[in-house]
Amino acid sequence: DAGVIQSPRHEVTEMGQEVTLRCKPISGHNSLFWYRQTMMRGLELLIYFNNNVPIDDSGMPEDRFSAKMPNASFSTLKIQPSEPRDSAVYFCASGRGRGYGYTFGSGTRLTVV
Amino acid sequence: DQQVKQNSPSLSVQEGRISILNCDYTNSMFDYFLWYKKYPAEGPTFLISISSIKDKNEDGRFTVFLNKSAKHLSLHIVPSQPGDSAVYFCAAQSGGGADGLTFGKGTHLIIQP
Repeated sequence: DAGVIQSPRHEVTEMGQEVTLRCKPISGHNSLFWYRQTMMRGLELLIYFNNNVPIDDSGMPEDRFSAKMPNASFSTLKIQPSEPRDSAVYFCASGRGRGYGYTFGSGTRLTVV
Repeated sequence: DQQVKQNSPSLSVQEGRISILNCDYTNSMFDYFLWYKKYPAEGPTFLISISSIKDKNEDGRFTVFLNKSAKHLSLHIVPSQPGDSAVYFCAAQSGGGADGLTFGKGTHLIIQP
């Protein structure tokens, strides 16, 4: 089991550019979450999917943020256009229900300059 | 408004002694609680969880206690080891598993030799 795989690990981009973060959940997990971690706000839930369907995207900060899960093995989080205040570590997590915990990836550190 | 609060940003404990990490919550709809451990540059790692129908759950050196009337939970680590030095996050979930996790801001545990 390779765990939850996120790419890239680090991303530096200029303000205004489009950024796409990628996540491969653990096979067999039916829930997928995107979180953002900042010093000020800690770990915030952005959106989560259940069986590839978005369930709650109320945590998505603005329309500049969008997420997709075209199939059970892949999800993307896109920011367009990016702004310096989007700089954070973005985590993807997957799970197969309560009692098993939820497994996080190693995160993508995004820096928007 | 923070629904999950970890009021101690850091905690220092001597190796071999007990570490007690505390967490308070305000949302009475939370019915499942988790503890995660995080090392720098890695994603959070699931440690232990507890359902609201229980008041204690134990796994090796880790025990979580839940006091629903006080809306308080704690993580006990006995005995504390140097590898336990990390940031510990408390998380809560409602909706019978249909919702995402709400995290506290974490407590940095330092185990002194």
